[in-house]
Amino acid sequence: EAEVAQSPRYKITEKSQAVAFWCDPISGHATLYWYRQILGQGPELLVQFQDESVVDDSQLPKDRFSAERLKGVDSTLKIQPAELGDSAMYLCASSFRINYGYTFGSGTRLTVV
Amino acid sequence: QKEVEQNSGPLSVPEGAIASLNCTYSDRGSQSFFWYRQYSGKSPELIMFIYSNGDKEDGRFTAQLNKASQYVSLLIRDSQPSDSATYLCAVTPSNTGKLIFGQGTTLQVKP
Repeated sequence: EAEVAQSPRYKITEKSQAVAFWCDPISGHATLYWYRQILGQGPELLVQFQDESVVDDSQLPKDRFSAERLKGVDSTLKIQPAELGDSAMYLCASSFRINYGYTFGSGTRLTVV
Repeated sequence: QKEVEQNSGPLSVPEGAIASLNCTYSDRGSQSFFWYRQYSGKSPELIMFIYSNGDKEDGRFTAQLNKASQYVSLLIRDSQPSDSATYLCAVTPSNTGKLIFGQGTTLQVKP
């Protein structure tokens, strides 16, 4: 079964450092999403891509977060500088068509110390 | 008001019972409705989706949608200890391709 690949699985970083996460969606999935899930809460959308274009980044803290999907395939989410409140699970998901539901990757658990 | 609301639980049911999980949403134009299961430390896994009013059954799972009441539910029949997880309700608001998630309901199935 096709999977959404994410790396790394776990990341510990110090406050004020830079950190990056990578995602490779299921082949042929044009829509890619980055979500953040704080422990005990539901996932919150950070950014949505359609091919290489950003469709929605209204909830992305743009002073410190950036996301790109240069060739419309894999994507990178960066945080610089990291803050203690950024500790969370960062989930990537992809979808063949809008409204078809997503397939999530295994996520990256970020701990900022 | 949150866009998607769920009771955080925990909801505790004995093995073999029916578990009923509920969700309400605020955008009356919402088009698609999903239930995800999330085990502790894992990513969400899609288990059901429903687009039209009424019931949709898949094995032990039944999703129910009432758009007039802006209410969606998930029934799990013959609950098993392996069903113990957090269940996330997700909704696609009108004219968007994104999913808005509720906070999730923790289900505990006791042997």
